[in-house]
Amino acid sequence: AQSVTQLDSHVSVSEGTPVLLRCNYSSSYSPSLFWYVQHPNKGLQLLLKYTSAATLVKGINGFEAEFKKSETSFHLTKPSAHMSDAAEYFCVVSEVRNYGGSQGNLIFGKGTKLSVKP
Amino acid sequence: DGGITQSPKYLFRKEGQNVTLSCEQNLNHDAMYWYRQDPGQGLRLIYYSQIVNDFQKGDIAEGYSVSREKKESFPLTVTSAQKNPTAFYLCASRYGGGITEAFFGQGTRLTVV
Repeated sequence: AQSVTQLDSHVSVSEGTPVLLRCNYSSSYSPSLFWYVQHPNKGLQLLLKYTSAATLVKGINGFEAEFKKSETSFHLTKPSAHMSDAAEYFCVVSEVRNYGGSQGNLIFGKGTKLSVKP
Repeated sequence: DGGITQSPKYLFRKEGQNVTLSCEQNLNHDAMYWYRQDPGQGLRLIYYSQIVNDFQKGDIAEGYSVSREKKESFPLTVTSAQKNPTAFYLCASRYGGGITEAFFGQGTRLTVV
């Protein structure tokens, strides 16, 4: 079965400095990977997704992620943090193998809370 | 506009009561999901449905029930058997599975009073 690990529960950066949110996945098959962002008391919004095309994926709001199969990683980066980036971020892998009818279900990491200092 | 709508935004439940959370989508998606979110635990799958009139238990289905009578609607009932129902509940829908992303509602915060 697939799994996903977000290596940091909390990351704090200063405004204008780079952001790195780390994600490792486990999958026996070619995974589909996603990053979502959640602002307080809101739903989740898709930032970007990897679906076996280009390994460097560009998303909304200046975020990007690189799929590295050899490292089983899908880290999220942004060159310059903005105050509005403060939120919780989730790395997600999609099941591609059918386990009791669960094919296609999304497996969520536990989230990384990003704080941005002025 | 296409989207997924959850209601109400806030809900209060007394001990021993059943409450129903609404989730409606007009995206023509086949698959719908209910997640529970608690601080520090990410999202945990309660129930999912990949087609009308069929649904499956997720990882934490005990104390919850669902129905899927229409493609657009996937209501979740939190029963009195759920001993710790205070949480943020998120509904999502998806076109098929695999490589497609899920779209989320804005969530319902349920509090036991």
